Amino acid sequence: DAGVTQSPTHLIKTRGQQVTLRCSPISGHKSVSWYQQVLGQGPQFIFQYYEKEERGRGNFPDRFSARQFPNYSSELNVNALLLGDSALYLCASWGGQGDTQYFGPGTRLTVL
Amino acid sequence: GNSVTQMEGPVTLSEEAFLTINCTYTATGYPSLFWYVQYPGEGLQLLLKATKADDKGSNKGFEATYRKETTSFHLEKGSVQVSDSAVYFCALPSINAGGTSYGKLTFGQGTILTVHP
Repeated sequence: DAGVTQSPTHLIKTRGQQVTLRCSPISGHKSVSWYQQVLGQGPQFIFQYYEKEERGRGNFPDRFSARQFPNYSSELNVNALLLGDSALYLCASWGGQGDTQYFGPGTRLTVL
Repeated sequence: GNSVTQMEGPVTLSEEAFLTINCTYTATGYPSLFWYVQYPGEGLQLLLKATKADDKGSNKGFEATYRKETTSFHLEKGSVQVSDSAVYFCALPSINAGGTSYGKLTFGQGTILTVHP
């Protein structure tokens, strides 16, 4: 089985632009979580979706939004990009209570 | 809420040295505990986990024991290799009011390990 996949791998944007990141979870997993990892720090939780519903939200501004599709893949959108949004964005796939979260390779976003 | 504190880094060792990376936590209830590893330029990989008190997680020569009495989950390896050079993260899930986890992991700040030949 394929692991968690994310696209694109790298992305360069300028301030004020909008970006969409994509994630496909492990087959059979219905939950996706998004994390932001700034260089030199641990990942910070942004959102969790389970069966297309938002189940958790971290301390991020409304410029960040996400959704989950019927096939359980997910998109993370960030509007009005700031320099501080430059980070590695990680997607994690989760099978539910008692299970482990498995991470994708991440999307490296650079905002110039 | 749940929190994790990792030892300050970075850690630099010679090959075959003994490794300890300290992790302590604050949590509601008794959640599972995890160690993840991040190799340069990559995402996170699960290294090991423990699901209840006194459990020992192990993988690739690494071990960590879930210590409820000291709220710790220290990572150890008896003989490190150059290929172990990476960033190590201790993590635990958040628990909602109903006592179940909801897919949010809280991470420590990470410990950079460099192993020299």
